[in-house]
Amino acid sequence: EDQVTQSPEALRLQEGESSSLNCSYTVSGLRGLFWYRQDPGKGPEFLFTLYSAGEEKEKERLKATLTKKESFLHITAPKPEDSATYLCAVRASNTGKLIFGQGTTLQVKP
Amino acid sequence: GAVVSQHPSRVICKSGTSVKIECRSLDFQATTMFWYRQFPKQSLMLMATSNEGSKATYEQGVEKDKFLINHASLTLSTLTVTSAHPEDSSFYICSPGDPYEQYFGPGTRLTVT
Repeated sequence: EDQVTQSPEALRLQEGESSSLNCSYTVSGLRGLFWYRQDPGKGPEFLFTLYSAGEEKEKERLKATLTKKESFLHITAPKPEDSATYLCAVRASNTGKLIFGQGTTLQVKP
Repeated sequence: GAVVSQHPSRVICKSGTSVKIECRSLDFQATTMFWYRQFPKQSLMLMATSNEGSKATYEQGVEKDKFLINHASLTLSTLTVTSAHPEDSSFYICSPGDPYEQYFGPGTRLTVT
């Protein structure tokens, strides 16, 4: 069964304190691992898509990496405006559907 | 990236009435549209997948007669919640299918009283 597990469920950081969010997955034929940011009351905002182990992508203070079993979202020197829920999803090759993890809610305090 | 709009952004309706939610793909021709539901403090759950001009495919546990999906054009899909009940109160989000980057609409908050 295709499954996505994110950890931790919640993370509190001080401004400038770097950390990583984890996304572990099992899927029959990966057709992309997606990271999204979601603010309260809004739809998910696309961040990255990763396709193969070893791939990395960066955007401002965020860097996403991928292995055969998990992905990490590294946040370098976070700012309060990075506070949000970060969602990870995988697309299975046999269905084409996105399967989401439960998300990590990040709070960055000034 | 794809620009997606939803209307309305918020709706309150009485139990037993029907509500229609519109999803427009403004700069992308979506042959496939995904509809998701999100309950408070939970992640997104796929409800159904629709292809332009054909019937939607519903996920297990989603009542197709209750959640009517129409995908009549490449830029417009609608979700109608029929005979709404309080347990249907949720955040509904559409997403046009894209093979590489999948974008989401801003969501519609439905409250059934």
